[in-house]
Amino acid sequence: DTGVSQDPRHKITKRGQNVTFRCDPISEHNRLYWYRQTLGQGPEFLTYFQNEAQLEKSRLLSDRFSAERPKGSFSTLEIQRTEQGDSAMYLCASSKRTGVVETQYFGPGTRLLVL
Amino acid sequence: AQRVTQPEKLLSVFKGAPVELKCNYSYSGSPELFWYVQYSRQRLQLLLRHISRESIKGFTADLNKGETSFHLKKPFAQEEDSAMYYCALRDRDSSYKLIFGSGTRLLVRP
Repeated sequence: DTGVSQDPRHKITKRGQNVTFRCDPISEHNRLYWYRQTLGQGPEFLTYFQNEAQLEKSRLLSDRFSAERPKGSFSTLEIQRTEQGDSAMYLCASSKRTGVVETQYFGPGTRLLVL
Repeated sequence: AQRVTQPEKLLSVFKGAPVELKCNYSYSGSPELFWYVQYSRQRLQLLLRHISRESIKGFTADLNKGETSFHLKKPFAQEEDSAMYYCALRDRDSSYKLIFGSGTRLLVRP
């Protein structure tokens, strides 16, 4: 499967612990996105990278959240001091512009449960 | 503020019936509209985009700028169409992020 991959697929943690998620985009996709999806809602944008540069961050991304994309390849999303409200599905997507068309391809997501 | 509204959380139809999933948006710039679909136990995937003006799996969607709508339609629903459908918007001029609606679950009954 050459699609976007995410690891782990599921994570259960206790409140106050730190967690880190990884996203491997489709090869040669220079743009990478993180979204968060809570129950009954659509995905909400968190942050976006073009190559290794983080170009946009949502207000949803509090100072407990940090994302990196070293060398413009895989990306990590870290949540420090997790809270129960952080429980959600974290989705990663990647894209590459082809002419006027750009399609974001999504990974399977990491489901986080904070107890 | 940019917003996408999908007023129906659930739409239930019988096989062979017409389907219309509603999507309204609020945005004053130059939006690009999409429909994404998520089948059971699968990842979110693009169904169609307004600039392509094509029919995918029998689905079509027309961007109506006057009514700020992008409703998804299919004349004859099939059981395999049962899934979650999300309408999404992107500002072509200033951002690459997608803004999603809350989704509509389509259930096609035999």
